[in-house]
Amino acid sequence: GAGVSQTPSNKVTEKGKYVELRCDPISGHTALYWYRQSLGQGPEFLIYFQGTGAADDSGLPNDRFFAVRPEGSVSTLKIQRTERGDSAVYLCASSSHGGSYNEQFFGPGTRLTVL
Amino acid sequence: SQQGEEDPQALSIQEGENATMNCSYKTSINNLQWYRQNSGRGLVHLILIRSNEREKHSGRLRVTLDTSKKSSSLLITASRAADTASYFCATDLNQAGTALIFGKGTTLSVSS
Repeated sequence: GAGVSQTPSNKVTEKGKYVELRCDPISGHTALYWYRQSLGQGPEFLIYFQGTGAADDSGLPNDRFFAVRPEGSVSTLKIQRTERGDSAVYLCASSSHGGSYNEQFFGPGTRLTVL
Repeated sequence: SQQGEEDPQALSIQEGENATMNCSYKTSINNLQWYRQNSGRGLVHLILIRSNEREKHSGRLRVTLDTSKKSSSLLITASRAADTASYFCATDLNQAGTALIFGKGTTLSVSS
C-alpha cells in the first residue's frame, strides 16, 4: 500500500484481557515507531525499531507492553492484562531510515477502549 | 513528559485570516517539525526546520525557529475551512533521533 496501515481501527476489550495491534509500514522503510495518544494530548513515544530490533524501548510504560517486528516489516504491539488506563489511540509511524531529519509517516491509528 | 508546548491551546478564526501558532521547547534540538492531525487520528507531516535554519516556507505555511529562545512559530496564511485541525510541534527525543516528542497541540478552527 501507499501509506502506513494499522489494524484494527477500533478495538474494545475488557480489563485484564490481552490485545494485539498491528502496523504495516511503508514498504522499504527500515524505521518503525509506536506512539500512544490520549485524549487532548500529543502522541507519546513508546518504542522504535530499526530493522528487526528494538533500538529504543524507553517509552514503554511497563512490562505489560511488548512489541515485535520479526521480519523488519510488519510490527505488532502487544498489551497484556489490559487496564482502563491503557485506553488511547495507538499510532504507528515509519520513516525511510531512522535518526534526525527524517519525516515520519503516520498510520490512522488504532483506538483501544478497555472497559 | 512533553518537550514542546504549543500556544494557544485553541484558536478560532474566519476564512481568509492568518493563523499563528507558537511552540516552546526545553532542550537543544537537531530539528523541529510541525504536524497536522484531523479528527484525532493520523498525523500528517507539514514541515521540518533544522536547528541552523531560521525560517522556512512551504506553500501557505511559514515556520520560524529561534534557538536562543527555544521557540518556533507556524503561520498559516489565507486560512481555509479545510485547515481546521490540531497542529503539533515535535522535536527529537534525543541526539540519536530515535523518536519525536510532541506538544499538546493547538486546535485550529476556521469558519467560513
